[in-house]
Amino acid sequence: DIVMTQTPLSSPVTLGQPASISCRSSQSLVHSDGNTYLSWLQQRPGQPPRLLIYKISNRFSGVPDRFSGSGAGTDFTLKISRVEAEDVGVYYCMQATQLTTFGQGTKVEIK
Amino acid sequence: QLQLQESGPGLVKPSETLSLTCTVSGGSISSSSYYWGWIRQPPGKGLEWIGSIYYSGSTYYNPSLKSRVTISVDTSKNQFSLKLSSVTAADTAVYYCARHDVLVGVSPDYWGQGTLVTVSS
Repeated sequence: DIVMTQTPLSSPVTLGQPASISCRSSQSLVHSDGNTYLSWLQQRPGQPPRLLIYKISNRFSGVPDRFSGSGAGTDFTLKISRVEAEDVGVYYCMQATQLTTFGQGTKVEIK
Repeated sequence: QLQLQESGPGLVKPSETLSLTCTVSGGSISSSSYYWGWIRQPPGKGLEWIGSIYYSGSTYYNPSLKSRVTISVDTSKNQFSLKLSSVTAADTAVYYCARHDVLVGVSPDYWGQGTLVTVSS
């Protein structure tokens, strides 16, 4: 099984400041087809998760451009360039290269 | 607009079988571009993938749950279903159904609102 490990687990941020979340996989997420199936999801309080980023760095439809994803192999990062109040919630990385597993989640809150 | 809606009992007794159905509206479940999955979230905890199914009936399960899980699809009703046997209190969670789109990296791009299932006698 591929284990996904996120850091930090909690991230207090100031409005307008950047935030960064790391995600590391226990083995490479490069699929035999050449793609890397690493996604990021956001879960606001009381809501189902929402897809933000797919295949490392592709923003899903309607996602603001302050969200960006990067990385390769086993190390990935989600960045929010300027945190807004609506960004409060829990962020999960997810791999779909070998079945599907989620990271533990990172809680983003306003200082 | 695609919508997914979970339905089923909110309370299940220990050792019994949890059964949920996800009804898909606004789109066809019989598309080669999508997988259909179940994900759960215990109260106050993170997300756990349970399994997924392709419209053809091919299934993929979380190894930790595989012995207790069955996911099936009914294309005539545009529904897919989850059965989890021998439940315990540890299976208490919000259960979500979701569409996994091949075109966005098999990521879950549409979700149901979730349904809370409590395991208790």
